[in-house]
Amino acid sequence: GAGVSQSPSNKVTEKGKDVELRCDPISGHTALYWYRQSLGQGLEFLIYFQGNSAPDKSGLPSDRFSAERTGGSVSTLTIQRTQQEDSAVYLCASSLDRGREDEQFFGPGTRLTVL
Amino acid sequence: EDQVTQSPEALRLQEGESSSLNCSYTVSGLRGLFWYRQDPGKGPEFLFTLYSAGEEKEKERLKATLTKKESFLHITAPKPEDSATYLCAVRFGAGSYQLTFGKGTKLSVIP
Repeated sequence: GAGVSQSPSNKVTEKGKDVELRCDPISGHTALYWYRQSLGQGLEFLIYFQGNSAPDKSGLPSDRFSAERTGGSVSTLTIQRTQQEDSAVYLCASSLDRGREDEQFFGPGTRLTVL
Repeated sequence: EDQVTQSPEALRLQEGESSSLNCSYTVSGLRGLFWYRQDPGKGPEFLFTLYSAGEEKEKERLKATLTKKESFLHITAPKPEDSATYLCAVRFGAGSYQLTFGKGTKLSVIP
């Protein structure tokens, strides 16, 4: 498939454990975004990568959250010392970053449950 | 105060019963208003982008319109397969790229 893929689709972990979520963007897309969707809330922006530029981390909720993007393609979102309030669906999106004419294409998400 | 507000939160329609979903926004410097459809367990699927007041876009039974303060997603003669959550998002401010989303409208179309 040519869409954005994410893994795992579901992750159950215990409070205090670290988790890694993976995103494979659409080939050729230079921009990559992470969002979080909590129950009853809208999608919340977390972080943005564009090419080789420094990422915009302004949406990360705490220093327990970090993300990297290797080789301008695959991205990993890491949550350290998970808390129950981290339970949510984590969505990745990618785009061609064509300025105003930019459409973000979303992956299916990773549902994270922290017990 | 939410920057993007969608109403109603949920809407039940009979098949063929046309209606509209509302998205109001309070941001300034709008650089685009986006409509997405999200099915359960899936990521949002892009529908439309609107950039300026008066603009309209159509796709099958859906038509999106934009004013200076709100957008409407009109659904004409809906079918059960139109059941989904419809999300509205805005991009605003110079040089911005992130989307700010509303909480969505869950649409159910009953056969």
